[in-house]
Amino acid sequence: SAVISQKPSRDICQRGTSLTIQCQVDSQVTMMFWYRQQPGQSLTLIATANQGSEATYESGFVIDKFPISRPNLTFSTLTVSNMSPEDSSIYLCSVEHRDAGELFFGEGSRLTVL
Amino acid sequence: GQNIDQPTEMTATEGAIVQINCTYQTSGFNGLFWYQQHAGEAPTFLSYNVLDGLEEKGRFSSFLSRSKGYSYLLLKELQMKDSASYLCAVSDSNYQLIWGAGTKLIIKP
Repeated sequence: SAVISQKPSRDICQRGTSLTIQCQVDSQVTMMFWYRQQPGQSLTLIATANQGSEATYESGFVIDKFPISRPNLTFSTLTVSNMSPEDSSIYLCSVEHRDAGELFFGEGSRLTVL
Repeated sequence: GQNIDQPTEMTATEGAIVQINCTYQTSGFNGLFWYQQHAGEAPTFLSYNVLDGLEEKGRFSSFLSRSKGYSYLLLKELQMKDSASYLCAVSDSNYQLIWGAGTKLIIKP
């Protein structure tokens, strides 16, 4: 199993500001995934972060709004830029176990944008 | 389009059995997953089915019928700690996970 630490666990932010979420894994992993989970809704993949290359974004998500860094095999950051109340959500970092689809998740970062 | 359907909420009694259904329409299929998510916590992996049939793991079992695009999660001897949301997810032809919205299970004494 993998242990994943996310910071901050929660934050209240002002409209127009940006916040960076950090994700630290206790082992080296090739791919790290960033998800968003809005209240009562399913998990939505934002992007896949690979070490040494640009992140791959899913439809509806762009790098200017959600810049991602992946400086090494154990760490990644997701920035939510120019926030609006619609960005209020839980953001989750995850990594794959041996088999594709079996994911380990961080504790999540609950953002509230006023 | 791709779609995962599961009931929004279910209620069951402590000690009883409950079955949570999941139907899916996806472009390709590379397995179906069930995750448990307690309120305010991250999802945790419960089960994986890629072949038809029943997989049993303690009090939890998961069933898959690929021809029907159908799965269920069966929870036996329910405990209060089983109160959580249960997420169904399907891996499509590109190994992308398509997530259901989750079923909130409420256990009553």
